[in-house]
Amino acid sequence: QITLKESGPTLVKPSQTLTLTCTFSGFSLSTRGASVGWVRQPPGKALEWLAHIYWDDDKRYSPYLKSRLTITKDTPNNRVVLTMTNMAPVDTATFYCAHFRRLGHSYYFDSWGQGTPVTVSS
Amino acid sequence: ETVLTQSPATLSLSPGERATLSCRASQTVNYYLAWYQQKPGQAPRLLIYDASNRATGIPARFSGSGSGTDFTLTISSLEPEDFAVYYCQQRDNWPITFGPGTKVDVK
Repeated sequence: QITLKESGPTLVKPSQTLTLTCTFSGFSLSTRGASVGWVRQPPGKALEWLAHIYWDDDKRYSPYLKSRLTITKDTPNNRVVLTMTNMAPVDTATFYCAHFRRLGHSYYFDSWGQGTPVTVSS
Repeated sequence: ETVLTQSPATLSLSPGERATLSCRASQTVNYYLAWYQQKPGQAPRLLIYDASNRATGIPARFSGSGSGTDFTLTISSLEPEDFAVYYCQQRDNWPITFGPGTKVDVK
């Protein structure tokens, strides 16, 4: 059974850097094909993909946020860390990490964390 | 970027009725499309992948169809627990994109 859990601050000030950690179990990022991604959701709005990282350390970023995002993995401790710099009030959202699994002919988010709300305010 | 458009924005139906949700892509995504269900305060749940394959544990009343640019999620007979927001997501082109969602609420 795969589980994921996000952790990090619930409140950050404008211009600060947000650091979120996804701690997971039930799979390993040392396994070929494994991947974890991050998705955010502003209050009352739709989902937005941010980034993900593969077992071989390949990384993909949203082109709109690429300059502000960094995703890294800590394979021995089953963690993935996302940092987002220069936070602004428009970045207020619930952030989810999710397991990105190959199903059929492609990869999809088949297991999700509960999400962690982040508010950007002074 | 592949833009996904979902219609209708809101679908008001009664339990037992059939729900038909649409997702249209701005360019072909072949059949690399998924559907997710999200209830208030919960994370999304994968329902359908590769346009028409049900994910593990998803009831048979959920079905997906389509390819290229036009896709449909059908719920054959709505159960009380099916009232939620449904998102489509494409995986064919980078970046990964989600649609704006369709809310299925009680009429």
